[in-house]
Amino acid sequence: DAMVIQNPRYQVTQFGKPVTLSCSQTLNHNVMYWYQQKSSQAPKLLFHYYDKDFNNEADTPDNFQSRRPNTSFCFLDIRSPGLGDAAMYLCATRGTDSYNEQFFGPGTRLTVL
Amino acid sequence: GEDVEQSLFLSVREGDSSVINCTYTDSSSTYLYWYKQEPGAGLQLLTYIFSNMDMKQDQRLTVLLNKKDKHLSLRIADTQTGDSAIYFCAESFTGKLIFGQGTTLQVKP
Repeated sequence: DAMVIQNPRYQVTQFGKPVTLSCSQTLNHNVMYWYQQKSSQAPKLLFHYYDKDFNNEADTPDNFQSRRPNTSFCFLDIRSPGLGDAAMYLCATRGTDSYNEQFFGPGTRLTVL
Repeated sequence: GEDVEQSLFLSVREGDSSVINCTYTDSSSTYLYWYKQEPGAGLQLLTYIFSNMDMKQDQRLTVLLNKKDKHLSLRIADTQTGDSAIYFCAESFTGKLIFGQGTTLQVKP
């Protein structure tokens, strides 16, 4: 089945230790998104790629970076995680269908010790 | 800026109807969406409605859109315990989704 896969599902890191979260998709969608979702809050868009074009949200901290080496993969790098970065990180993709549906992965739960 | 608001919690009995409400601010949104999130999982699109429609029905789900009042609702008929989840309303703005805070639906047996 075509899908959005996120690895790992659970990630524990130490304060200040860089961490990379991974997303891959078999949908061949040209748009990929990274969202941060804190407990009991709405998902908040961090950035997205339209093909190779990177689009950062204005309020995304510099601590968050992203890479998209090819259509299928997208990475979220947190350079120096703080306690406030503990959250669920959701990857989503979108194709060019008529109603702009975004397909979400299961998320990676990040814990910062 | 764009803003989407929902009530935070709804509790119903199994078999009853559930109605989850949402208000949004961007009148230029082309599509409005309802996503479902089960514990520890990602978001799953339940249904969507095009902005020139007033109502959309899909099996147990009915979406009502009042564009004048910028009000969207999701009705779930014959609510089951498997419907217990967080429901997010979202509007589409320049290709991005703006989500509400989510409504936790609790279904009591």
